Amino acid sequence: GENVEQHPSTLSVQEGDSAVIKCTYSDSASNYFPWYKQELGKGPQLIIDIRSNVGEKKDQRIAVTLNKTAKHFSLHITETQPEDSAVYFCAASIGNQAGTALIFGKGTTLSVSS
Amino acid sequence: DTAVSQTPKYLVTQMGNDKSIKCEQNLGHDTMYWYKQDSKKFLKIMFSYNNKELIINETVPNRFSPKSPDKAHLNLHINSLELGDSAVYFCASSQVGRGVAGELFFGEGSRLTVL
Repeated sequence: GENVEQHPSTLSVQEGDSAVIKCTYSDSASNYFPWYKQELGKGPQLIIDIRSNVGEKKDQRIAVTLNKTAKHFSLHITETQPEDSAVYFCAASIGNQAGTALIFGKGTTLSVSS
Repeated sequence: DTAVSQTPKYLVTQMGNDKSIKCEQNLGHDTMYWYKQDSKKFLKIMFSYNNKELIINETVPNRFSPKSPDKAHLNLHINSLELGDSAVYFCASSQVGRGVAGELFFGEGSRLTVL
């Protein structure tokens, strides 16, 4: 089955720096790769996603890149702010015509200090 | 108006007891899920239901039984609770096309503590 590896597990940056989180997946049939942000005591929330027919996507300070050949994708956050501090999860889709689900990486705890 | 709501938010119980967690979504989605988040924050898929039909069951013990009375509700019943069942359980929903994955909308989670 699908296996999603995520690195690093923790990341500390200064306010204004960039942060990069990387993920690899194992199932070449996966075609949807979202990133979720989870704040303390809350459920995960989608921040950006990318499909397999696209190599890069950007939304203001966050961007995601996908390399299907190498089976890896990355999240880039520029000009980090203290409110970016949270746990970030990458995920890859599994499933077929009957139904789909997401397999998550183990998460990255991002701390942004001012 | 909450999109995916779970009750209860907190649940503390003794080993061996049976408990249920309820989930409702008002997004009109066809697919609902249960995920388990352990103490290390690892989010693991447990079940997926599409239009009340079980689609995915990821090697979850038989003590866990999901029930979907209609496509807006997916409840989780757990028998004979064990210490290792302590976790945060998240319900989620999604509107997916045939074989096309989409955004999952998560509830706020239900924290289960087994003593």
